[in-house]
Amino acid sequence: EDQVTQSPEALRLQEGESSSLNCSYTVSGLRGLFWYRQDPGKGPEFLFTLYSAGEEKEKERLKATLTKKESFLHITAPKPEDSATYLCAVQASSGTYKYIFGTGTRLKVLA
Amino acid sequence: DAGVTQSPTHLIKTRGQHVTLRCSPISGHKSVSWYQQVLGQGPQFIFQYYEKEERGRGNFPDRFSARQFPNYSSELNVNALLLGDSALYLCASSLGDSPNYGYTFGSGTRLTVV
Repeated sequence: EDQVTQSPEALRLQEGESSSLNCSYTVSGLRGLFWYRQDPGKGPEFLFTLYSAGEEKEKERLKATLTKKESFLHITAPKPEDSATYLCAVQASSGTYKYIFGTGTRLKVLA
Repeated sequence: DAGVTQSPTHLIKTRGQHVTLRCSPISGHKSVSWYQQVLGQGPQFIFQYYEKEERGRGNFPDRFSARQFPNYSSELNVNALLLGDSALYLCASSLGDSPNYGYTFGSGTRLTVV
């Protein structure tokens, strides 16, 4: 069964304290892995798409990497405005085009 | 350009009632998907429509139904509401049916069933 597991569930960082979020996945053929940011009461906001192992994408303080079994979202020198829930999703290469989401990592960055 | 628009933003219904949620995709986007997000969980896939045809259905009961109109807007209908249907319902649109097109999500409709 296709599955996504994110860790940790919650993370508190001091401003400027870099860290990484993990997304482990099991899927019958990966079509794409996606990272989204979600603020309370809002819909997910697209961050990155990764397609193959070894691929990396960067945007401001965020960098996403992908291996055959997991993806990492690295946050460098975070700021309080980076506080949000970060969701990982995968899309399988067969069947429907649905996204399978993890439960997310709730990130709180303290000033 | 306007993003994905969902209405209403909040809704309170009584058990057993019926509800219709609406979604207008980004202009030019032909694919619409619906997701249910229970508090503290990731979104769960309900339906996907492309060019007015159903392309996928998640593990939801037949009380859930949807359709896509000629202008690519979409409705999600839920009959015989249960307390467990309380959730944030998200609509997402994309340019096409290919996996290379990412989803853009709306802000959702918060449904509370009492």
